[in-house]
Amino acid sequence: NAGVTQTPKFRILKIGQSMTLQCAQDMNHNYMYWYRQDPGMGLKLIYYSVGAGITDKGEVPNGYNVSRSTTEDFPLRLELAAPSQTSVYFCASTAGWGFSYEQYFGPGTRLTVT
Amino acid sequence: GESVGLHLPTLSVQEGDNSIINCAYSNSASDYFIWYKQESGKGPQFIIDIRSNMDKRQGQRVTVLLNKTVKHLSLQIAATQPGDSAVYFCAENIESGGSYIPTFGRGTSLIVHP
Repeated sequence: NAGVTQTPKFRILKIGQSMTLQCAQDMNHNYMYWYRQDPGMGLKLIYYSVGAGITDKGEVPNGYNVSRSTTEDFPLRLELAAPSQTSVYFCASTAGWGFSYEQYFGPGTRLTVT
Repeated sequence: GESVGLHLPTLSVQEGDNSIINCAYSNSASDYFIWYKQESGKGPQFIIDIRSNMDKRQGQRVTVLLNKTVKHLSLQIAATQPGDSAVYFCAENIESGGSYIPTFGRGTSLIVHP
């Protein structure tokens, strides 16, 4: 299994540009999450999904959108990028209810908005 | 403020010593806790978890202790090795609409000197 994969690894955006961060998992996990991690800080939950077609906001959803059309994929969309969105973004998945809540993380996407 | 916090942002130990990393949480409704290890440039990796109906859980060289009375948990690493150098996060899991939503603390940086 590849686990959780994320693309791209690095990206530089200009203010106002848009982009989609890709996340995929091959573990048939129900739950998927997007986090951002600012330097020296913990992870802040942006959005999460408990299954295909179901998404919900986390702690810091403003400026982001998500979709979950399949179990495997959970892309994160940034519209009108702002310098405050400069961060490292992690996607994670877990089997969820009735199973384990251990989260498997991807390698991260380092995003700089200038 | 954050519901999960760590007392010591940086912990330096000698190789072979035991390490203790602490974490405080504020939500008494939290019933599932996870410790993660994050190495530089990588995503967090699961170490050990504990449910609120337990006081102690042991893994390989690691032990997690949970004190619900004072809302505190700790991660003990026996015979710390240079490879243990990383940032350690505790995550408090709160049930929301049938799913568990994690909240991460800021993290403690563990530095192991050879």
